[in-house]
Amino acid sequence: EAEVAQSPRYKITEKSQAVAFWCDPISGHATLYWYRQILGQGPELLVQFQDESVVDDSQLPKDRFSAERLKGVDSTLKIQPAELGDSAMYLCASSLGLASSYNEQFFGPGTRLTVL
Amino acid sequence: GDSVTQMEGPVTLSEEACLTINCTYTATGYPSLFWYVQYPGEGLQLLLKATKADDKGSNKGFEATYRKETTSFHLEKGSVQVSDSAVYFCALSDPYGSGNTGKLIFGQGTTLQVKP
Repeated sequence: EAEVAQSPRYKITEKSQAVAFWCDPISGHATLYWYRQILGQGPELLVQFQDESVVDDSQLPKDRFSAERLKGVDSTLKIQPAELGDSAMYLCASSLGLASSYNEQFFGPGTRLTVL
Repeated sequence: GDSVTQMEGPVTLSEEACLTINCTYTATGYPSLFWYVQYPGEGLQLLLKATKADDKGSNKGFEATYRKETTSFHLEKGSVQVSDSAVYFCALSDPYGSGNTGKLIFGQGTTLQVKP
């Protein structure tokens, strides 16, 4: 069964360091999402891609976060410099299309980031 | 903007007890509604969905009915098992609402613990 792949699964870093997360969506899925899930809360969208284009990055802290999906397939999310408040689970999801009568998104296992 | 509110957890039940987790939503358009489940250390899995008013989603003994008049989508199960212990998230996607591109908006999650 096709799955969304993410790596690493766990990352511990010190504040002010740079970190990067990678996501490989299900083959053929044009839409890719990065969500941040703070402990005890629901996931919140950071950035959404349609193919290689950013559709929504309104909640992405652009002074320190960046995301790219250069060939419209896999994607990288980067934080530089990391801050203590960035400790969270970072979830990647993908779906076939941008908008439809319903929008089933498939989630990867996530990357748990701890900033010390 | 669009939002989802879930009942506070944790919910602790004995095996074979009845489960209800309340979920209400606010949306500008005509959202689709979802329940996702997150087992410890894993990503989110779609449990069930409903795309229009009065639709009933069901899966693995869980059910939820899309109630437009009360803007609710409560999750129910008649007899829970220990293996149902997880965090449950109610979510909506409103691709035709103002400014929405199909992203999922989640509630804060409800932890269910089922004891033998």
